[in-house]
Amino acid sequence: GNSVTQMEGPVTLSEEAFLTINCTYTATGYPSLFWYVQYPGEGLQLLLKATKADDKGSNKGFEATYRKETTSFHLEKGSVQVSDSAVYFCALRTGGYQKVTFGIGTKLQVIP
Amino acid sequence: NAGVTQTPKFRVLKTGQSMTLLCAQDMNHEYMYWYRQDPGMGLRLIHYSVGEGTTAKGEVPDGYNVSRLKKQNFLLGLESAAPSQTSVYFCASNNGRLAGDTDTQYFGPGTRLTVL
Repeated sequence: GNSVTQMEGPVTLSEEAFLTINCTYTATGYPSLFWYVQYPGEGLQLLLKATKADDKGSNKGFEATYRKETTSFHLEKGSVQVSDSAVYFCALRTGGYQKVTFGIGTKLQVIP
Repeated sequence: NAGVTQTPKFRVLKTGQSMTLLCAQDMNHEYMYWYRQDPGMGLRLIHYSVGEGTTAKGEVPDGYNVSRLKKQNFLLGLESAAPSQTSVYFCASNNGRLAGDTDTQYFGPGTRLTVL
């Protein structure tokens, strides 16, 4: 079956540090890949997505590139802010949204 | 637009009690979903609906029932709550498109349920 692997964290960074959250996947076919962000007490929000190999998704300074050869979709940001503190979920979709597989989520804490 | 709303926000039940969680969306979306979120397990799909009057089982449907009598509402029922159903429940919806800028799933703020 499909699976998404990411570290649970927490990842603790100082403000303005570089962020990488690794995400690797196993899937049949050609999945679409997503990063969602969940702020404390809220639901998930789509952060960025990529639908085919070598696509780069980007939003709010975050970016991730769909790497088919390494089955990865790592999330990066050049300079994190305290307001980026949240839980980040990597996910893949094969078909409709009823066929979405989520990772366990990585908690990011950014300290001033 | 309010987006996706869920009621209640918090609830504590005793084992064996029943309850219904309500999800409402004002975006005229065809598709709606119920997930549970547990530590170390990400989100898992309980049930979903592809339109008014339809429901289907997801990955973890046992112990839950759902109904979609109106397009804008999706109800999740627990007939006899168990401690294993302690979780955070999220509702989501989307318009059914799987490409382009409107290919997005929208989530509600969640319901935190504790079963004692």
